[in-house]
Amino acid sequence: KQEVTQIPAALSVPEGENLVLNCSFTDSAIYNLQWFRQDPGKGLTSLLLIQSSQREQTSGRLNASLDKSSGRSTLYIAASQPGDSATYLCAVRRILTGGGNKLTFGTGTQLKVEL
Amino acid sequence: DTGVSQNPRHKITKRGQNVTFRCDPISEHNRLYWYRQTLGQGPEFLTYFQNEAQLEKSRLLSDRFSAERPKGSFSTLEIQRTEQGDSAMYLCASSLDSSMGVAFFGQGTRLTVV
Repeated sequence: KQEVTQIPAALSVPEGENLVLNCSFTDSAIYNLQWFRQDPGKGLTSLLLIQSSQREQTSGRLNASLDKSSGRSTLYIAASQPGDSATYLCAVRRILTGGGNKLTFGTGTQLKVEL
Repeated sequence: DTGVSQNPRHKITKRGQNVTFRCDPISEHNRLYWYRQTLGQGPEFLTYFQNEAQLEKSRLLSDRFSAERPKGSFSTLEIQRTEQGDSAMYLCASSLDSSMGVAFFGQGTRLTVV
């Protein structure tokens, strides 16, 4: 059974700081890995998706890396801003019967960026 | 239609009552997923449809839960005889065959069982 762990569970940083969120998974047989952002009481917003054959993806101030063999991914946020405050979820995807897929999520890192 | 739509956004019900949620996926998305998220946890997979066919169900989906997608478009999730443990955010997502699995999530329905 796939298990996804995220460390730290919560993080509070001053504005402008660079930070790293960690994600680990137990089964390396994944199709891809995706990072999401979730604001309180809201749905999920996709940030970055890394295919199993890739090592990293970048979007603006965000950079995600993947080391599939060791079961680890990191999300790097540069020059953090108060608007980055949210819960960040890591999820690994595997393919299901019929071609659909299933995401297994971690419990998230709750980030607060203070002025 | 610019996204996945879920209704209602919030539902408060008494224990033992039945509730039904609706999800309208992005047009032409043939795959539809339901997830459940309890407070402080990540979402957990419940079930998946390809068009109108329900192809996989999690063991989390007890016999009190039933999901349908009658015409391969919108989907409903019904919970019978609700229990306090059913209180959660129910999230729906949809995707295309060719999207490398990328799914778009709705805003969710927050269920509170009192």
